[in-house]
Amino acid sequence: TQLLEQSPQFLSIQEGENLTVYCNSSSVFSSLQWYRQEPGEGPVLLVTVVTGGEVKKLKRLTFQFGDARKDSSLHITAAQPGDTGLYLCAGACGGSQGNLIFGKGTKLSVKP
Amino acid sequence: ETGVTQSPTHLIKTRGQQVTLRCSSQSGHNTVSWYQQALGQGPQFIFQYYREEENGRGNFPPRFSGLQFPNYSSELNVNALELDDSALYLCASSGIAGVTDTQYFGPGTRLTVL
Repeated sequence: TQLLEQSPQFLSIQEGENLTVYCNSSSVFSSLQWYRQEPGEGPVLLVTVVTGGEVKKLKRLTFQFGDARKDSSLHITAAQPGDTGLYLCAGACGGSQGNLIFGKGTKLSVKP
Repeated sequence: ETGVTQSPTHLIKTRGQQVTLRCSSQSGHNTVSWYQQALGQGPQFIFQYYREEENGRGNFPPRFSGLQFPNYSSELNVNALELDDSALYLCASSGIAGVTDTQYFGPGTRLTVL
């Protein structure tokens, strides 16, 4: 069974602080996606990383895919209250099957 | 461009009943995937439909079934509802079968089974 472990599960920080969220697995993924989900809504895609060692930046968010394509991290610089939400990582196994394997998510709360 | 829409937004059923949830895919997309997200959990893959055929299924019993129509909209049917079926049901559409293409999620249907 392929599993994606996310840590920490909960994170509560003050506006302006930096944070890193981790997504780890013993399995290799063909790609990994990060989503943000707000209460009562569906997940919204932030980024897809495909190549081992790849780093992508989206404004204050930096995403990294591990060299072995088994893990990933999301770093947020100078967090703002608008960053509050559930951050989910999801691994794609490749092939023609359609399933993404999701972690349980990291619930981030940024206090003003 | 119209995004993924789902109906209804909320639904309350009792144990043993049957339910049908609906999803309209994003314009131009021919693939729909369904996920179940229990409270405090990440979404779990139920199945995917590509051009009206099932294209992969997760670890869900046969009482979870689906359909995709010629206009690529989709239905998720659940028979003999159980209390553990209470969850947010998400559908996601994409332009290519499998996961090589980005999946765009709808807002979900919140199902409560009493």
